[in-house]
Formats: sequence, C-alpha cells, structure tokens
Amino acid sequence: AQKITQTQPGMFVQEKEAVTLDCTYDTSDQSYGLFWYKQPSSGEMIFLIYQGSYDEQNATEGRYSLNFQKARKSANLVISASQLGDSAMYFCAMREGMNRDDKIIFGKGTRLHILP
Amino acid sequence: KAGVTQTPRYLIKTRGQQVTLSCSPISGHRSVSWYQQTPGQGLQFLFEYFSETQRNKGNFPGRFSGRQFSNSRSEMNVSTLELGDSALYLCASRSGQGGKEQYFGPGTRLTVT
Repeated sequence: AQKITQTQPGMFVQEKEAVTLDCTYDTSDQSYGLFWYKQPSSGEMIFLIYQGSYDEQNATEGRYSLNFQKARKSANLVISASQLGDSAMYFCAMREGMNRDDKIIFGKGTRLHILP
Repeated sequence: KAGVTQTPRYLIKTRGQQVTLSCSPISGHRSVSWYQQTPGQGLQFLFEYFSETQRNKGNFPGRFSGRQFSNSRSEMNVSTLELGDSALYLCASRSGQGGKEQYFGPGTRLTVT
C-alpha cells in the first residue's frame, strides 16, 4: 500500500486563484512529520512547509498553508493567490518516527500549471 | 549560508561503466541522504549517511553504494551502469539533530547510453 497518495496528477489554475493540492498518508506511527516540496523544471527540490503530527496548529509559510486533518490522514497544501512562478511539480512527503532519523517517503507528485 | 551542492550537474556514461557523484551538505549538517528520481518510479530513497555511517538504506542493488567523509561531504557510486540507471540523483542534507527540514541540492542528471 502506498504511504503517500497524491490523487491529482495535474492541475490547471487561473493566476491569482487559490489552489489546494491533495495528499493523504498512511502510517501506524503516532509521531511523524509531513512535508511539501516544490520542484520546478530546473529539477531542484524546494522545501515549502512542514507539519508535525503533534502540532495543534496548521503550519503556514507565507502564501503556503497546510490543511492538516489528522483523523482523515490528510495533509493538503493550500497556495493562496497563485502566481505564474508557482507552476511546478509538487510533492507531499512523510517521515515516520520523529525520535529516530529515518528516510522520507514521497508521493508521486502533482504537476501544477498556473494560467495567465 | 551556502546550500547543498552537487557535482557534476550533468553526466553521460556508457553501459558497464561506473560513476561517482558528489554532494556537499549545508555547513553544520551531518546527515546526507540520496534519492533517485525517474519518470516511472518517482523519487526513491537510496541511503542516508550520518557521521560517516550508513544509517538507512533503500531497496536498491549492491551496485549502488555511498560513503561520507569526516567533513560530511558524501559520494555515491554506481558500478556497472545499466540503461535504467538514467535518472536525476538528488542529495539532501539536514542537521541530524531532529532537524525537521531536509534541504535538497540541484541534482545530478545521469544519462546512460
């Protein structure tokens, strides 16, 4: 079974609109971390936002926010006021067991296209 | 603070050859992880090094190996290259002291012909 599921292979959004990228995860650990990364066509993975499983507040970083719904095992990324530069591949990822250093598992990604 | 650097950025090799990729983490970061990214398989974890020791390993054949030096720089080696090894190889570093964020380098794009 996939640990990280991103159900939207691609999305087209009009500039200035808000975008929600879906991510669901599967873990039996109580302690875990969730990440979102952006990968432009250049290939570099850019860290966007992090949410710990025990964090009570949803994480926010500028125009990025993470809609964390623990009971549903959902960690959707919300981008407000989208810009042309937001066009990229977006990956949701999870690290299990925060008290030990472990590998990060990535979803398949969502390709976001922002239309002028 | 300088980011994660990877060299070379692009590489073309022939089947059967071997290749060594290099990664320099962010200053102060002791953990280096390697990932392979292909269109078909997505991002797959190769291995992680911390303080010169391999701490975790993904599901790759023994042709893939790595090491880490005392200055935290890491190298990844692939022997007997196959066409399927063509990929973007990404290196990532984090502090290793429960550091939450993992920062990636620009990657090395390897093409095997």
